[in-house]
Parts: sequence; structure tokens; C-alpha cells
Amino acid sequence: EVQLLESGGALVQPGGSLRLSCAASGFTYSNYAVSWVRQAPGKGLEWVSAISGRGISTYFADSVKGRFTISRDNSKNTVYLQMNSLTAEDTAVYYCAKGSYSNYGYFDYWGQGTLVTVSS
Amino acid sequence: DIVLTQSPGTLSLSPGERATLSCRASQSVSSNSLAWYQQKRGQAPRLLIYGASSRATGIPDRFSGSGSGTDFTLTISRLEPEDFAVYYCQQYGSSQITFGQGTRLEIK
Repeated sequence: EVQLLESGGALVQPGGSLRLSCAASGFTYSNYAVSWVRQAPGKGLEWVSAISGRGISTYFADSVKGRFTISRDNSKNTVYLQMNSLTAEDTAVYYCAKGSYSNYGYFDYWGQGTLVTVSS
Repeated sequence: DIVLTQSPGTLSLSPGERATLSCRASQSVSSNSLAWYQQKRGQAPRLLIYGASSRATGIPDRFSGSGSGTDFTLTISRLEPEDFAVYYCQQYGSSQITFGQGTRLEIK
């Protein structure tokens, strides 16, 4: 059974940093991309970032480029999202999602999400 | 980036009726790389359709997708009570993945 479990969400002050983790199981991890998708309270889905299966290629939405980085440790089946210079606009539930391909693709499995709140 | 515009914003129907949801792209979606998701309150999204018309594993056949290029449609042939939710389209034809703003399907 494919499972994805996010962790690391918290209350953080504006300008602060946070690292989210996504631990996965149930599939050959290094064969698939993993993305982060966020959802602000009462709003729609926004794709944030993706990393290819072997971690060679990374992709970012314009709204987070230069502030967020993504990495993965295939020995731990875990993807990380490092978020810096956070603003109130980054407040959201952050989901990790398994990509259907090695680079990005559609999302066939999702975690349950972790809440990030940016507020003073 | 490809902008996806979903219509209508809200659709009010009764169980047993047919629902037709639209997703229009600002430019052609490469290789019909278009997916549809269902999201219920407090839950993660669930994949329904990929490749514009292929049903994901375990999705009932009352859900169908169609379209190509810039115009795509999700059809639910006979609405069940559990189908009332928010639906999103997503394009993955470019590395800048985008979602539509969603269509809320509510009980009339």
C-alpha cells in the first residue's frame, strides 16, 4: 500500500524558516518524482515544487522560487521542503504527492497534509 | 505558465442528475496531460482522471473525462450523494504544473 506522511508543519514568524518532510512507503521510491502542493485556508490547490526520482531535477512555482528548496534522501524514502523568508501568504496546508513519472506528472497518491501558519 | 479556468464556479444539482464540469487552458496542453481530482472537506485530493480520459484505479465508471488541446470536460453521469465535493483540473504537460481554481458541486 502506498503511503505518504508529511511532518514539520508549525507556527512560524514572518521571515522565519521551516523544513517539511515527506516519508513514503509502498513503492520503488527512486523511480518517481514527488511534489509539494499547498492549499491556503478556504482556497484552491497550488503546486509548489517537484523533485525528480533521482533528485537530479527540481522545479518550483514562481511564488516560491529563490525562497524554497527541495531535496530527497532515497535511502530514507524521504523528501524535504526547506522554506525560507516565509510570509503570511505561505500559510497553508502542505501536501506531498507522488508523481506518476520520474520527473513530474499527475499525482496518484497524496499525504494527509501538514499545516504551516506564518504569523507574529 | 498555462492558466486553467474552470467553469462553472459552483454547480447545484440533485442526486441522479448529470454533471458537466469544464476546464479551459490558456494554451494547448501537451499530450493531453490533464488530470481531474475530487476533494472533500478536510481531506486530501483524490485522483479521478489522468491523460484527459483515463480513469484512475478504483474510480467508478460514472466518472468520465474528455477533451483535447485547450478544452476539457469531466462528466459525472448520475450523481451519487458522495459525489458532492470540489473538483480541480491540473495540467502536467510542462514542468510548471498548474491547477484550475476548482468547481464546487453542491446539492440542490
